[in-house]
Amino acid sequence: GAVVSQHPSWVICKSGTSVKIECRSLDFQATTMFWYRQFPKQSLMLMATSNEGSKATYEQGVEKDKFLINHASLTLSTLTVTSAHPEDSSFYICSLVGVNTEAFFGQGTRLTVV
Amino acid sequence: DAKTTQPPSMDCAEGRAANLPCNHSTISGNEYVYWYRQIHSQGPQYIIHGLKNNETNEMASLIITEDRKSSTLILPHATLRDTAVYYCIVKGYNFNKFYFGSGTKLNVKP
Repeated sequence: GAVVSQHPSWVICKSGTSVKIECRSLDFQATTMFWYRQFPKQSLMLMATSNEGSKATYEQGVEKDKFLINHASLTLSTLTVTSAHPEDSSFYICSLVGVNTEAFFGQGTRLTVV
Repeated sequence: DAKTTQPPSMDCAEGRAANLPCNHSTISGNEYVYWYRQIHSQGPQYIIHGLKNNETNEMASLIITEDRKSSTLILPHATLRDTAVYYCIVKGYNFNKFYFGSGTKLNVKP
């Protein structure tokens, strides 16, 4: 299966600053990647679809100006949490869909905003 | 939009088979059933998927009822490392988005 790598694994930032999370596909060219958010003891919530070379599409209720997504190449998508606040503290996970339609997920990034 | 219903938690003795049920009574003819699991603080891990036939791989078996309205994931010999949240997801083959429901927390006990 595809190998998906996220960086960093965890990050602590001050309220009001921006944080960038990288998602790399190590062995698969992905025209589409997906970003999820997961709060403690809750399920994964799909935030947005990252499209290589074009704008991301966001799920209902997700602020596109808050969560900036860039998918500049077939192997890299980035999620930037802008002007982060404590309520943005969460576990962020990216994924891509392989040739047999199953999804492969990164190891996740734990964001803590203080 | 999660289209599945799973029990919130289950216990299983180590070495015994773990049978995790999933109800998907509104599944469409072209939708597959996927199973993933998430060990604490990690990304989800693919387990298995199927359309209507039973499937087996090195990790698990997937039993889908004839009417396709429910399925069961079977871990034949559960170990402590199988303790995780297991998610059953229904998705169209050409639809790439995975929507997660609440899943089942499987506790494997010694």
